[in-house]
Amino acid sequence: AQKVTQAQTEISVVEKEDVTLDCVYETRDTTYYLFWYKQPPSGELVFLIRRNSFDEQNEISGRYSWNFQKSTSSFNFTITASQVVDSAVYFCALSDLISSGSARQLTFGSGTQLTVLP
Amino acid sequence: EAGVTQFPSHSVIEKGQTVTLRCDPISGHDNLYWYRRVMGKEIKFLLHFVKESKQDESGMPNNRFLAERTGGTYSTLKVQPAELEDSGVYFCASSPQGTSGNKETQYFGPGTRLLVL
Repeated sequence: AQKVTQAQTEISVVEKEDVTLDCVYETRDTTYYLFWYKQPPSGELVFLIRRNSFDEQNEISGRYSWNFQKSTSSFNFTITASQVVDSAVYFCALSDLISSGSARQLTFGSGTQLTVLP
Repeated sequence: EAGVTQFPSHSVIEKGQTVTLRCDPISGHDNLYWYRRVMGKEIKFLLHFVKESKQDESGMPNNRFLAERTGGTYSTLKVQPAELEDSGVYFCASSPQGTSGNKETQYFGPGTRLLVL
């Protein structure tokens, strides 16, 4: 069975601080996919990034960066120079593919509420 | 390209009533998923359609929940009769299939907030 753990329930930072959201996962699959989604106060789930299990390269997109380490089963998310608009709930999730090439169900962590104060 | 849409955005009903939620996936996406988040808990999978067929319905909580996807386009999720514990946010997601470069990614709709009184 797959499991995703986001130990940080809530994080509060002051604008311009850097913040890292932790994600630890468990799976028996050798090929899997990791995701981060953002849920702003408006409620929708916004896709941020997908990472394949066979690609451990870290990724940077603007102020966002992701650190994937298979050795520790972690997929952490860092926001540099945080802004008030980054305030949201962030979810880490795990999935794999079924034989037809479709994505299997996502297993979500419990989410981390990030509040960025002005 | 339009994203995943869900209707209604909010629904307030009394215990014992019936509610039907609708999801329109991204055009061309064969895969459609339903999830829900009950108060304070994790987002949990309900079921997965590939076109009009149910690929996986292991997350459906009980037989009060009925999902359909006639014609392989939009999907409905009916709760009948609704109970208090059904309150939460119901999300729909879709993904492409086969050789698409984004087949692993599920794109979510805005959710339907259901409150059962």
